Amino acid sequence: KQEVTQIPAALSVPEGENLVLNCSFTDSAIYNLQWFRQDPGKGLTSLLLIQSSQREQTSGRLNASLDKSSGRSTLYIAASQPGDSATYLCAATSGSRLTFGEGTQLTVNP
Amino acid sequence: NAGVTQTPKFQVLKTGQSMTLQCAQDMNHNSMYWYRQDPGMGLRLIYYSASEGTTDKGEVPNGYNVSRLNKREFSLRLESAAPSQTSVYFCASSPPGASTDTQYFGPGTRLTVL
Repeated sequence: KQEVTQIPAALSVPEGENLVLNCSFTDSAIYNLQWFRQDPGKGLTSLLLIQSSQREQTSGRLNASLDKSSGRSTLYIAASQPGDSATYLCAATSGSRLTFGEGTQLTVNP
Repeated sequence: NAGVTQTPKFQVLKTGQSMTLQCAQDMNHNSMYWYRQDPGMGLRLIYYSASEGTTDKGEVPNGYNVSRLNKREFSLRLESAAPSQTSVYFCASSPPGASTDTQYFGPGTRLTVL
């Protein structure tokens, strides 16, 4: 059974700082790894999806990497802004299921 | 397009009461999903429906029933609510031909069972 873990559970940084969110998964037989953003009272929005054959994906100030052999993915956020404050979840696709991590609650202080 | 909509947004129940959470999508998607999100546990799949008239159990189906009466709507029913079902419930849908990872989420229903 796939298990996905995210560290840290919460993170508070000053505006402008670069930061890394971590995600680990137990079963390396994944199709892809996806990062979502969740704002309070809202649903989830997909940010980046890395196929199992890829090593990383970039979108603007976001960069996600995938290392299947070690069962790890990271989300790098450059030059963080207060608008980046949200909960970030990673999810691994294996079989016909998405398995989610617990999320990291990010606060970027002005 | 409204995307995926859920009603109600908030609900408080007493133990033993029943209720139905409603979900609708206007994107002509085939697959629909129900998840629950608990603090410190991420989202867990309750039930899913690959197409109209079909439903399958997910990771945590006990205490729930679902109905997929048409392509647009997928409802989740709690027959006898328990405090352990206090959670935030999310509905999601996937376009035709898309893999499981392409899911569009609704805003959620926050349910409290006293």
